[in-house]
Amino acid sequence: EIVLTQSPGILSLSPGKRATLSCRASQSVSSIYLAWYQQKPGQAPRLLIYGASSRATGIPDRFSGSGSGTDFTLTISRLEPEDFAVYYCQQYDSSLRWTFGQGTKVEIK
Amino acid sequence: QVQLVQSGAEVKKPGASVKVSCKASGYTFTSYDINWVRQATGQGLEWMGWMNPNSDSTVYAQKFQGRVTMTKSTSISTAYMELSSLRSEDTAVYYCARGHWSQGLYFGMDVWGQGTTVTVSS
Repeated sequence: EIVLTQSPGILSLSPGKRATLSCRASQSVSSIYLAWYQQKPGQAPRLLIYGASSRATGIPDRFSGSGSGTDFTLTISRLEPEDFAVYYCQQYDSSLRWTFGQGTKVEIK
Repeated sequence: QVQLVQSGAEVKKPGASVKVSCKASGYTFTSYDINWVRQATGQGLEWMGWMNPNSDSTVYAQKFQGRVTMTKSTSISTAYMELSSLRSEDTAVYYCARGHWSQGLYFGMDVWGQGTTVTVSS
């Protein structure tokens, strides 16, 4: 089973700053099966990025995804107040199963 | 609009089973997978399994094999997730989510239900 490790666990930043979130896989992952989600308290997760770098419908262009192999990154270019939330990466492997990372909380500094 | 609407909160005793429903609307039910994901209070997302409503194929996470069953009723565009032998650790919010695939490419779990709280307590 592929394990996804996200870092840091908590990222404390001020609005307007750049956020860089990491997702590392225990073995190589196909980029087409790598996604990122945002979750705010009391809400269902929301799809941000699929295929490692494609933004989902309606997602602002301050969100971008990159990476390949075992290392993937979600970048928020300039944090808006509504971006403070928990972010999860997700991958799909050859056993036809999905895995989520443990999440990174982006909090206001 | 495209949406998934889940059934209401449940309270169950240890050892019992729970069946959560997820009604799809605004799209062709059989054209997209349905995933089930749960989240215990203060914890991360845990994928439980998926079902293809067109083929009835299912794949479950190893952790839930033998305890979870995913089914559907095409006539009413509804997916179901049943979890048996409940224990206190199964207390969580359970979400259904649409898996968007097209020609072998994955476009994410793009529509989520509102979540169903399941509480297991004696």
